[in-house]
Formats: sequence, structure tokens, C-alpha cells
Amino acid sequence: GAGVSQSPSNKVTEKGKDVELRCDPISGHTALYWYRQSLGQGLEFLIYFQGNSAPDKSGLPSDRFSAERTGGSVSTLTIQRTQQEDSAVYLCASSQGQGGEKLFFGSGTQLSVL
Amino acid sequence: GDSVTQMEGPVTLSEEAFLTINCTYTATGYPSLFWYVQYPGEGLQLLLKATKADDKGSNKGFEATYRKETTSFHLEKGSVQVSDSAVYFCALRSSSNTGKLIFGQGTTLQVKP
Repeated sequence: GAGVSQSPSNKVTEKGKDVELRCDPISGHTALYWYRQSLGQGLEFLIYFQGNSAPDKSGLPSDRFSAERTGGSVSTLTIQRTQQEDSAVYLCASSQGQGGEKLFFGSGTQLSVL
Repeated sequence: GDSVTQMEGPVTLSEEAFLTINCTYTATGYPSLFWYVQYPGEGLQLLLKATKADDKGSNKGFEATYRKETTSFHLEKGSVQVSDSAVYFCALRSSSNTGKLIFGQGTTLQVKP
């Protein structure tokens, strides 16, 4: 597609359930990022994939969070045993590489944990 | 670790006023610096960038100068418009880590006619 695609756009789940959020980056982009944007907060870095390198997972808030990127393209962010504090907008972005180029952001997934 | 600090908002201005949004950073090495903007109902998009000290990034009338001596990258515009109302994010990419982009907390700008 023309841009970064995220699905679902909205997800409502019950506390304790697992959720999967999907990101389809722009074709050919080697770098992929996940961020979390909470109400009134900034953008919190979660994880970064760059080509075939080991991902930078330094922003994942707990071991309930994990992400994978298959075939260097689509990425899935998984949150296990969701908690109410996980409620936020989860943003995915991609770029052609690293070193000063710009990120293209998706529209995000609004996650609400009841 | 690397971090970005922005002035707290919201910033409320009248049309044609001068805008400054302060941004300071902490980073190892020589980071690249960015301003991203999020218009209401839209995704984040790059506004401008600077990749080395003393560089000036500019776009849509906005400017920011990379000041290594003060570790700052303040965003300025000489005359704001109502259409500039948005959330502005300062960000950095350190040259010494994996290349991840670190964002500040964002500053909301409201421009009134």
C-alpha cells in the first residue's frame, strides 16, 4: 500500500486477555518501530527492528510485551494478560533505513482494556 | 540514557504571533534532531530535521537550529496561522545506539483567530 497500515484501528479487550496488533510497513522499508502514546503523554519507544539485525527491545515495559517481524515486513506486537494501564494508542512507523531519514507513521491502534 | 525535554503546553497564541517551542536533549555522540507534527485527526509527520551542529532545518515557515553548545533544538515560526494548531514533538536519534528515534512528550499549540 501507499502508507503504513495498522490493524485493528480500535481494540477493546478485557483485563487479562491477550491482544495482537498488526503493522504493515511501506514496501521496501527496512526499519520498523513501535511506539505507545498514552492520553496526555508523549511517544514512548517500545521496540525497533532494522533489517536483519537483532531488534532493540529496550523500550518494552514488561515481559508481557513482545513483538516479531516476519520476513522483514509485517510486524505483530503482542500484549499478554493485558492490564488497564496498557490502554493507549499503539503507533507503528517505518523508514528506509537509519541515519537521518524520516519515519512514516501509521494511524495507530487504539487499545482499551476494561 | 538519551532523552528529549520539551516545554509544557498547551501554548495558546493569536494568529500572526511569534512562536517558540523549546526543546533540549541529552545524548551520547552526535545525534540527529527532528521535529514531528501531529495535526488533529492525522498521523505524525516529519516537519524538519538537522543532522549536525549549527545546521538549520526549515519547512512551512518553521525553523530550528541545532545548537550543540546548549544541547537545544528550539522550534520557531515568525507568524503562526490557525492551521498550525497541532501537537509538536521534538525527537533525536543518537549516533551511538541502535538508531532508534526518541521523542519528547509533545507540546500542544493552539492558534486563535
